[in-house]
Amino acid sequence: EDQVTQSPEALRLQEGESSSLNCSYTVSGLRGLFWYRQDPGKGPEFLFTLYSAGEEKEKERLKATLTKKESFLHITAPKPEDSATYLCAVQARGGDYKLSFGAGTTVTVRA
Amino acid sequence: GAVVSQHPSRVICKSGTSVKIECRSLDFQATTMFWYRQFPKQSLMLMATSNEGSKATYEQGVEKDKFLINHASLTLSTLTVTSAHPEDSSFYICSAILNSGGPYEQYFGPGTRLTVT
Repeated sequence: EDQVTQSPEALRLQEGESSSLNCSYTVSGLRGLFWYRQDPGKGPEFLFTLYSAGEEKEKERLKATLTKKESFLHITAPKPEDSATYLCAVQARGGDYKLSFGAGTTVTVRA
Repeated sequence: GAVVSQHPSRVICKSGTSVKIECRSLDFQATTMFWYRQFPKQSLMLMATSNEGSKATYEQGVEKDKFLINHASLTLSTLTVTSAHPEDSSFYICSAILNSGGPYEQYFGPGTRLTVT
């Protein structure tokens, strides 16, 4: 069974204080690893897809990286508007396209 | 691009009644959609996979007779909660797969807050 573990559960940052979120996974053949951002009371917003170890993707202050066992989401010089829950999910190779989600990391950025 | 909508955004119903939630892919066709529910401060729990023109596939523990799913077109899937009870109160979210030749990325709707009184 696919498993996704995110750490820490919560992260409180000062504006401008860079940090990283971790996503450890076990999957029987990775098709893709996905990062989403979710604001309270809203659906997840797609951020990145990573497919193979060594891959990196960037979007504004966010950078996602992937190894064979884990993924990191780096937040550089965060702003209060980066406050959200960040979800990691894996999709296994096979006939369906289901995602297995981690529990998420809730990031709070103080001005 | 890749916008998914849900309707309604909030619904309150009485115990014993049925509620229908619509999920639409607005700017792309989606042969596969998914339905999730999310409890407060918890992650998303997959309920079922909805494939256009065929029966939905339900996850273990999800009552198919209670949560009826219909995927009648390439842009619309519906979830009907039948004979709703207070324990069905939750945040229901749908997603649709964008088949862009490889990624199979899931794009999510804004969610529907169901409250059963």
